[in-house]
Amino acid sequence: QKEVEQNSGPLSVPEGAIASLNCTYSDRGSQSFFWYRQYSGKSPELIMFIYSNGDKEDGRFTAQLNKASQYVSLLIRDSQPSDSATYLCAVINDYKLSFGAGTTVTVRA
Amino acid sequence: KAGVTQTPRYLIKTRGQQVTLSCSPISGHRSVSWYQQTPGQGLQFLFEYFSETQRNKGNFPGRFSGRQFSNSRSEMNVSTLELGDSALYLCASSLGVPESNQPQHFGDGTRLSIL
Repeated sequence: QKEVEQNSGPLSVPEGAIASLNCTYSDRGSQSFFWYRQYSGKSPELIMFIYSNGDKEDGRFTAQLNKASQYVSLLIRDSQPSDSATYLCAVINDYKLSFGAGTTVTVRA
Repeated sequence: KAGVTQTPRYLIKTRGQQVTLSCSPISGHRSVSWYQQTPGQGLQFLFEYFSETQRNKGNFPGRFSGRQFSNSRSEMNVSTLELGDSALYLCASSLGVPESNQPQHFGDGTRLSIL
């Protein structure tokens, strides 16, 4: 079983719509969760982190965490063409970030 | 505040050679981690250093090694290069306070090509 799994993409959404990205993790003891955005040919950029159950909002992004279900998600509201990228879910344990394979999002104008 | 700086940005080597990559963390960050990114395997953890001590290591052969200096700058070395070592090598830094899993911020990476 992979440590972090993301819903397979690619995900195509129209401009202005909500993009929903999902992620599950295997280590029940995990405490810290991150979402990174990676544009083609660039390095990952941290966009959200969440430590507690519930929702965390930052601008158009909302991260949701459910530790009982070992599930973390990212919602992108009012999607823009500039949101087209690969989104990586990551979990940290013992100073090591474990990444999912990523979900590629394309926002159609 | 300057971000994570990695040098060089691009490197071409041949099989059997060795290579050293450098990383300067964000000012004040004491933890430096290294990752390898390939199309087939995705992002994989190599190792993490804090205060010149390796705190965790990924599942890579002993050809991959690293170190951290007293100013928190880090280097990683790959010896006896193989074709499969062609990848984007990413360095990330964080505050690294013990017992705290702080967010990690990535540099632009070093793209290593093995001929």
